[in-house]
Amino acid sequence: DAGVTQSPTHLIKTRGQHVTLRCSPISGHKSVSWYQQVLGQGPQFIFQYYEKEERGRGNFPDRFSARQFPNYSSELNVNALLLGDSALYLCASSGKNTRRHSYEQYFGPGTRLTVT
Amino acid sequence: GQQLNQSPQSMFIQEGEDVSMNCTSSSIFNTWLWYKQDPGEGPVLLIALYKAGELTSNGRLTAQFGITRKDSFLNISASIPSDVGIYFCAGPPANAGGTSYGKLTFGQGTILTVHP
Repeated sequence: DAGVTQSPTHLIKTRGQHVTLRCSPISGHKSVSWYQQVLGQGPQFIFQYYEKEERGRGNFPDRFSARQFPNYSSELNVNALLLGDSALYLCASSGKNTRRHSYEQYFGPGTRLTVT
Repeated sequence: GQQLNQSPQSMFIQEGEDVSMNCTSSSIFNTWLWYKQDPGEGPVLLIALYKAGELTSNGRLTAQFGITRKDSFLNISASIPSDVGIYFCAGPPANAGGTSYGKLTFGQGTILTVHP
């Protein structure tokens, strides 16, 4: 079975632009989470969506938004890009149907965003 | 906010040696997860722990959920070159709920280098 897929793999944008990153979860998984990973650090939680509803939000500005589609794929949007938004953006999906086990998240390869 | 501290920050070992690393928190965690990340890839889930004192193995990897619920340990036996990578501990804080639902907090990682 295919794992979590993300597109694009790499992206270069200019300050002030906006970007849309895409994620397809593992087949059968209904929960998608987004993380930002800056070089040398662990991933930082941005959002979680389950059944198309936002279930969790991290400490990120309103420039960051996301949504989940009926097929459980997801998009992360970032507006008014700043240099500090340069990072690896990771998508993770979870298929466990109990809250306890829902934390077992499976990550995609990420999208490397560079803002110049 | 919640913080996970991993030690050591980096390790340089010879192939065949055993490895031990740990993760501590000032807050209680109800779930501990260990991930491995290779360069340019997303984190891969290695082991999930759900109960204080629990000891779980996955091949040459063994992880333990600390009795105090504020720490966890990962051991790798008979290391091989493909064990190279960054190892992250992660978990949801015990009081996760509301807007923190689904959030995983990650440590800063332990970088493992294995010399053949």
